[in-house]
Amino acid sequence: SAVISQKPSRDICQRGTSLTIQCQVDSQVTMMFWYRQQPGQSLTLIATANQGSEATYESGFVIDKFPISRPNLTFSTLTVSNMSPEDSSIYLCSETGVMNTEAFFGQGTRLTVV
Amino acid sequence: QKEVEQNSGPLSVPEGAIASLNCTYSDRGSQSFFWYRQYSGKSPELIMSIYSNGDKEDGRFTAQLNKASQYVSLLIRDSQPSDSATYLCAVTTSYDKVIFGPGTSLSVIP
Repeated sequence: SAVISQKPSRDICQRGTSLTIQCQVDSQVTMMFWYRQQPGQSLTLIATANQGSEATYESGFVIDKFPISRPNLTFSTLTVSNMSPEDSSIYLCSETGVMNTEAFFGQGTRLTVV
Repeated sequence: QKEVEQNSGPLSVPEGAIASLNCTYSDRGSQSFFWYRQYSGKSPELIMSIYSNGDKEDGRFTAQLNKASQYVSLLIRDSQPSDSATYLCAVTTSYDKVIFGPGTSLSVIP
């Protein structure tokens, strides 16, 4: 699997502000995904980051709240906009490996909104 | 109906025992199935992948898949305290997305 680097690793933000999370992969990958893990919960898929086109969002997630960029095959960003305390979660970037099957994760971004 | 379900736990087993973790999924088109281990405060770590019916063994871990019953399980033999973690079942859907179950917390008691 590719090595996935995310930054920041953690942040504390004021409500109403926005945070952009960066995900860098050390090799070109076809599929990149963004997940959210709320406290004590499992992983929920936010969206598929598509290279060269708009992201594909899962039910319950919208582009205005979670804009995503994928300018090339090694990089993606997720922005959490107009944050509220309910957005406090771990956000994880993943890629699906050579076989486009299993998901491999970066170390995640732990976001606290106060 | 949730796409991926797991036994709710928490599951406690004594050291050296077999831990059995179960998972069912709803998408009959799913072809790839995974078990992840997640320690508190860490990212999920892939421990097993299984793609065809039957058993797959890797060290102390055995994954079992039954597509007809839409059922996946993970057995951990000779459980160790270091196995204490949350185990996440994950399934690739017909649209090549990986969907996770709610997780089962395992505690191995020395």
